[in-house]
Amino acid sequence: QKEVEQDPGPLSVPEGAIVSLNCTYSNSAFQYFMWYRQYSRKGPELLMYTYSSGNKEDGRFTAQVDKSSKYISLFIRDSQPSDSATYLCAMNRNTGFQKLVFGTGTRLLVSP
Amino acid sequence: GAGVSQSPSNKVTEKGKDVELRCDPISGHTALYWYRQSLGQGLEFLIYFQGNSAPDKSGLPSDRFSAERTGGSVSTLTIQRTQQEDSAVYLCASSWTRGSSYEQYFGPGTRLTVT
Repeated sequence: QKEVEQDPGPLSVPEGAIVSLNCTYSNSAFQYFMWYRQYSRKGPELLMYTYSSGNKEDGRFTAQVDKSSKYISLFIRDSQPSDSATYLCAMNRNTGFQKLVFGTGTRLLVSP
Repeated sequence: GAGVSQSPSNKVTEKGKDVELRCDPISGHTALYWYRQSLGQGLEFLIYFQGNSAPDKSGLPSDRFSAERTGGSVSTLTIQRTQQEDSAVYLCASSWTRGSSYEQYFGPGTRLTVT
């Protein structure tokens, strides 16, 4: 079993829809939770990070962490065609060198 | 300022040949990471450099893989006697300090194809 599970998609939505992307994980030691966006043939870029449980909002993006369920989510409001990309969740521990453990990524397609 | 750069962007090599992949991190970043991204597999950690400390090589898949970082800046990932299963995108990332490793800035990657 992988430490981090993520549905590969693709997830297709119309422009303006609310998108929900999710990851589950098995290691309760994870403390930092990140979401990266990766456009085709590009490197991942950090969208948001959250420490421990709770919500964090940044513009149209909201990240949620539920440590009791080992479940994290990224919500995108008013989705745009430019949001079409692969979204990767990542997480790490809080001790020593924090090696990032990534999900496989969910491909999102937002149609005009 | 300039981001993380990697070269070459694409590399096609024959099975059994050695390849070298280069990474130029963001100036001033002390930490440097190499990851491998295979189709449907997500990013797999390979190796981590932090300043002058000994690198964390725990993710290297075999002794055919090695990496060095010269002068605390540029890094080279070397794969000897390449195999078809080495085909993947190799990504380099850098960050300011160990404590902020979640803020990793990625390069565009090198797409390696072993024929």
